[in-house]
Amino acid sequence: EVRLLESGGGLVQPGGSLRLSCGASGFVFSNYDMNWVRQAPGRGLEWVATVSSSEKNIYYADSVKGRFTISRDNLLSTLHLQMTSLRVEDAAIYYCTKERDAYNPDAFDFWGQGTLVTVSS
Amino acid sequence: DIRMTQSPSTLSASVGDRVTITCRASQSISDWVAWYQKRPGEAPKLLVYKASRLESGVPSRFSGSGSGTEFTLSISSLQPQDFATYYCQQYSVYPITFGQGTRLDIK
Repeated sequence: EVRLLESGGGLVQPGGSLRLSCGASGFVFSNYDMNWVRQAPGRGLEWVATVSSSEKNIYYADSVKGRFTISRDNLLSTLHLQMTSLRVEDAAIYYCTKERDAYNPDAFDFWGQGTLVTVSS
Repeated sequence: DIRMTQSPSTLSASVGDRVTITCRASQSISDWVAWYQKRPGEAPKLLVYKASRLESGVPSRFSGSGSGTEFTLSISSLQPQDFATYYCQQYSVYPITFGQGTRLDIK
């Protein structure tokens, strides 16, 4: 059974930093591209970042480029999101997602339950 | 960036109704479209990928169609658990983008 379990969310002041993690199990983590997607309160889904299986390719939404860093540890089957210079508008539930296909960009077939990030003074 | 525009934003329907949600892409994206269901307090759930392929375990009352710039998600006979928010997504190019969502309410 595929499982994705996010951790690391919490309350942080504007300008602060936070590191999210996502522990994966039930599939060969090192074969799949992984993503972070967020949903701000009362808003829709927003893609944040993607890291390819080997970490060779990394993509970011313009809204987080230069402030967030996605990374992965294939030995520990863990995905990370280092968030710096946090803004009020970064407050959201952050979801870790797995892509369907191991070889091509694909839809997100598994999602974690999410971790809540609150940015407030 | 490719903009995904869903319509309607809100849809009211009754159990047993057939409903259709439309998603238009700002440029052609072949069939690289997925549809997700989002219930409050739950993680999004993949329903359809590659525009028309039903994800494993998803009831057959859900169906997707389209290619190029226009896509639809249909639910043939609404069940109580189908009242939720639905999102389309394009994964043809980065940045990956989602539609703004369609909230399906009970009439």
